[in-house]
Amino acid sequence: DSGVTQTPKHLITATGQRVTLRCSPRSGDLSVYWYQQSLDQGLQFLIQYYNGEERAKGNILERFSAQQFPDLHSELNLSSLELGDSALYFCASSPPPGNTEAFFGQGTRLTVV
Amino acid sequence: AQSVSQHNHHVILSEAASLELGCNYSYGGTVNLFWYVQYPGQHLQLLLKYFSGDPLVKGIKGFEAEFIKSKFSFNLRKPSVQWSDTAEYFCAVTTGGYNKLIFGAGTRLAVHP
Repeated sequence: DSGVTQTPKHLITATGQRVTLRCSPRSGDLSVYWYQQSLDQGLQFLIQYYNGEERAKGNILERFSAQQFPDLHSELNLSSLELGDSALYFCASSPPPGNTEAFFGQGTRLTVV
Repeated sequence: AQSVSQHNHHVILSEAASLELGCNYSYGGTVNLFWYVQYPGQHLQLLLKYFSGDPLVKGIKGFEAEFIKSKFSFNLRKPSVQWSDTAEYFCAVTTGGYNKLIFGAGTRLAVHP
């Protein structure tokens, strides 16, 4: 158990819908990262938050947005869903800046039908 | 932008065979290097990491990796694989202080008894 909690574990929804994925980082970790894992794209970095502020942006679509709340949990919002958005979405967290690794949650498997 | 290349997408070995997975990165500055493993249906777990010092890094489960700066490489090795090593292996790099991981495409390892 990495200490990073993601909910829900599985999500099935229809095209055009909107969903929210939730991530609770490890206690004390200020950074949260979101990644998308799909068969054709591999592991893609989406976005990073540090202590409530956006720090880095990767290959995140405009239909997707995220935020980190004062209690440091984070949510990834996916809207106008398309079939191609079906993927495993991972959240990771890491302690304050320094030489350390990221710890990953179990992921949310999103299926768009 | 930095990138990570993993040379082998699929590797099939018999138990007790030796393993070497290639990883090259493109970035001219200081990097932190990682190997993560993803067992079937599970989240990513850290195998080993390199930040500085001895370029030969030992990780969990008998894995090791060697950082060769002149070759921009960080190859993963294990002298004798087991069936339980069947998994997908990801090389990753971070630069700077905010730990945004950039992953390679991954190598699927299948170990046959």
